[in-house]
Amino acid sequence: GAVVSQHPSRVICKSGTSVKIECRSLDFQATTMFWYRQFPKQSLMLMATSNEGSKATYEQGVEKDKFLINHASLTLSTLTVTSAHPEDSSFYICSASSGQGFGELFFGEGSRLTVL
Amino acid sequence: EDKVVQSPLSLVVHEGDTVTLNCSYEVTNFRSLLWYKQEKKAPTFLFMLTSSGIEKKSGRLSSILDKKELSSILNITATQTGDSAIYLCAVETGTASKLTFGTGTRLQVTL
Repeated sequence: GAVVSQHPSRVICKSGTSVKIECRSLDFQATTMFWYRQFPKQSLMLMATSNEGSKATYEQGVEKDKFLINHASLTLSTLTVTSAHPEDSSFYICSASSGQGFGELFFGEGSRLTVL
Repeated sequence: EDKVVQSPLSLVVHEGDTVTLNCSYEVTNFRSLLWYKQEKKAPTFLFMLTSSGIEKKSGRLSSILDKKELSSILNITATQTGDSAIYLCAVETGTASKLTFGTGTRLQVTL
C-alpha cells in the first residue's frame, strides 16, 4: 500500500530556533498534503492544506508566518516551525492524498516536537 | 464552522464486550464520513461512509451512517486488548476536500 514517510519522528530544540519537518509520499504522487497538529489526548487539528506548486491554505487561527509550509514537488511537503517556543511543542502529522478520495488518504508517522 | 463530536470521550470495557462509538456532525457540504484508529502514532483508515443506512463491515468492526440524524456509529464486537486505541471520526466536506476530525474516543479493553 501507499506509504507516507515523515521525518524526523522526534525533535528537541531550544526556544527561538526553527525546525523543519518533512513529509514524503514514497510510491505515489500527492497533489495535496495536509498538516495536522495533535495535543495530548486531543484530536487532530487541521493546520493547513498544501497543494503542489501553490501557496498553502491555512486554517483560521494558524499563523502562516510561524508555520511555513512548502510543497515543492508532488512527493514532498515541508513544515517549518519558525522561532519555536515551548507552546509549539506538539505532535505534528502530515497526510497525503493520491486524489482518489479520503479512503486513499495516507498519514505519516508523525513528528513529536519538544521545545525547551 | 464545521463541527464533529464523538461520544463517549473514553471507555473502559472487558475483553469480549461489544462497544458502540458515536459520531455526530454539523457541517456544510457533507461528502463522506470516515473512521480511523489511532494507536501510538498515525491514524489508520477503517471505513469510509457516503450512503445512509448501508453497513460497512470488516471483521469484528462495523459502521453505519445516518444522514437524517447526522451521525454514525462504529461497533466493535468481541473486543480484544488489541482494540485499545483512540478511534477518530472525520467528516469530509466541500470542494476542497477538507477533513474535520472529531474529539476521538479513547477505548481501553482490559483482560
